[in-house]
Amino acid sequence: GQQVMQIPQYQHVQEGEDFTTYCNSSTTLSNIQWYKQRPGGHPVFLIQLVKSGEVKKQKRLTFQFGEAKKNSSLHITATQTTDVGTYFCAARTSYQGAQKLVFGQGTRLTINP
Amino acid sequence: NAGVMQNPRHLVRRRGQEARLRCSPMKGHSHVYWYRQLPEEGLKFMVYLQKENIIDESGMPKERFSAEFPKEGPSILRIQQVVRGDSAAYFCASSTGPGNSPLHFGNGTRLTVT
Repeated sequence: GQQVMQIPQYQHVQEGEDFTTYCNSSTTLSNIQWYKQRPGGHPVFLIQLVKSGEVKKQKRLTFQFGEAKKNSSLHITATQTTDVGTYFCAARTSYQGAQKLVFGQGTRLTINP
Repeated sequence: NAGVMQNPRHLVRRRGQEARLRCSPMKGHSHVYWYRQLPEEGLKFMVYLQKENIIDESGMPKERFSAEFPKEGPSILRIQQVVRGDSAAYFCASSTGPGNSPLHFGNGTRLTVT
């Protein structure tokens, strides 16, 4: 079945540094979603990208969808301690016409204040 | 507008017992998903249901695990004869449809098998 590979698995930065996580698929994706899970919490939807080459911004977060719709990235500028958590990308995969959402392995971000 | 409600938050079972995990989707949501998460690992898809129908159970073990989403009441994930390896966080999520809809997650049930 379709898989989404996410790297890196872990990232530790100094507060104020930038952070990027990447998501890759071997097949073309119809759309991609990003979620954030705080330590001990549950995943929370951040954004969805649909169009080829799409770029969306949420304050210090920039989300990109590749031209071929096979990869995506999340970039955080000037990290803050509130950014700590695990960031997941997720994509729909078809199964007998239905569509389940498959998650990447996640990138766990820790920050040194 | 209440979010996705899961209960219990924590569940302790001895090996061989049954675990029943409940999930009430957000109001207006008719699609429910169950995911399993081991500590510091990703979200592993288990099952996708609509009211009274199992759409995709490809991620669920063939034995001991079952799920339902009846016409009335919450979705139930049932694990029979639990083993230590079943210890994990089980998250339920709901959405309005199978297309581009984002998932809204509950707080999860942390299952510990002793």
